[in-house]
Amino acid sequence: TAGITQAPTSQILAAGRSMTLRCTQDMRHNAMYWYRQDLGLGLRLIHYSNTAGTTGKGEVPDGYSVSRANTDDFPLTLASAVPSQTSVYFCASSLTGSVGGEQFFGPGTRLTVL
Amino acid sequence: GENVEQHPSTLSVQEGDSAVIKCTYSDSASNYFPWYKQELGKGPQLIIDIRSNVGEKKDQRIAVTLNKTAKHFSLHITETQPEDSAVYFCAANPGPEYGNKLVFGAGTILRVKS
Repeated sequence: TAGITQAPTSQILAAGRSMTLRCTQDMRHNAMYWYRQDLGLGLRLIHYSNTAGTTGKGEVPDGYSVSRANTDDFPLTLASAVPSQTSVYFCASSLTGSVGGEQFFGPGTRLTVL
Repeated sequence: GENVEQHPSTLSVQEGDSAVIKCTYSDSASNYFPWYKQELGKGPQLIIDIRSNVGEKKDQRIAVTLNKTAKHFSLHITETQPEDSAVYFCAANPGPEYGNKLVFGAGTILRVKS
């Protein structure tokens, strides 16, 4: 079982360009999440989805969009990248969107915006 | 909103010694407190969690304590080993209305010296 996969592993992007970070899980989890990890700030929630067809905003949603067309995939799009979006991005999933469900994390995507 | 503070930011211990990481939270409605371990180049992984109706939970060499009155919780690792070296994150769930969303602390880099 692969669990959660993310692509690409790393990317260098010119400011102003758009990019989609991909996330796929094979655990049939209902809930999925996108976090960014910055030194000294821990993990901050960008967007989440409690079930296919629904999405919600986290702590730092500005500049990002998501979609959840099916259970397995949860892509994160940067429409016009800025240097402050340089970060490591983690996708996670949990069986349900209810309190206390273990979140399983992918390996991350390291994004540098120049 | 919920705010989680984590201390210390770095911790070095000798192999065999104990390590303690402390977190405080601001929202008294928070009811679920997981701890995640992140090894180099990987995504975080749940190692232990505690709910607000329990004061202490133990799993082999790791334990978590919760003081709801003081709004703080701690991770205790006994008989530390080199493989315990990693970044540790505490987190809090702000309450049932927030679903399974988590607010993370900034992380603690634990180094176990052999």
